[in-house]
Amino acid sequence: QPVLTQPTSLSASPGASARFTCTLRSGINVGTYRIYWYQQKPGSLPRYLLRYKSDSDKQQGSGVPSRFSGSKDASTNAGLLLISGLQSEDEADYYCAIWYSSTVVFGGGTKLTVL
Amino acid sequence: QVTLRESGPALVKPTQTLTLTCTFSGFSLSTSGMCVSWVRQPPGKALEWLALIDWDDDKYYSTSLKTRLTISKDTSKNQVVLTMTNMDPVDTATYYCARGDYGDYARLDLWGRGTLVTVSS
Repeated sequence: QPVLTQPTSLSASPGASARFTCTLRSGINVGTYRIYWYQQKPGSLPRYLLRYKSDSDKQQGSGVPSRFSGSKDASTNAGLLLISGLQSEDEADYYCAIWYSSTVVFGGGTKLTVL
Repeated sequence: QVTLRESGPALVKPTQTLTLTCTFSGFSLSTSGMCVSWVRQPPGKALEWLALIDWDDDKYYSTSLKTRLTISKDTSKNQVVLTMTNMDPVDTATYYCARGDYGDYARLDLWGRGTLVTVSS
């Protein structure tokens, strides 16, 4: 079982909100980790969006709008990326990552379609 | 302005060793807290982290690839070099270098444009 699991795809309408999940493998407690989120538009390099561990330990990437935010769902052991006010330009792949066992681990990515 | 640029061969043959160089500006790897990671992405697939080196010359490697990888730095040239031995067609990917931060290693805040490496005979 992978360390981080992300749904393959997500669809949402312009102006709506999108909720991405990044589920940590059983036995790896989401509360312990900082969850990092990256956006990658087609043909472009990845862009760091934000980091979230708790409301007192979070960081927004440089120039990243506040409509991108992080959270956690302890009940499902998942990190969350929330995007409000979806725009067509948000259509991209979104990756989560953690620092685990002295390595950087990425999730498999979720493709967001804005339709 | 911080920039990173990857360079290396576009084509390597199976079993050969790949050597990639990340040349950066706007920061120094002799500065406490700085680090550089390598990440790759096969065509149409997900990001995969490979290795990291920090200002103190500590090195970390992907668990699955560590026997094939070596990362090093030349602080005077502002370069980080990654070698990967025994290349295989499945290693065909775009290879990126990215800047990170001590204690926040998974926060890769600035990336190079990447270099596509194809493994084929």
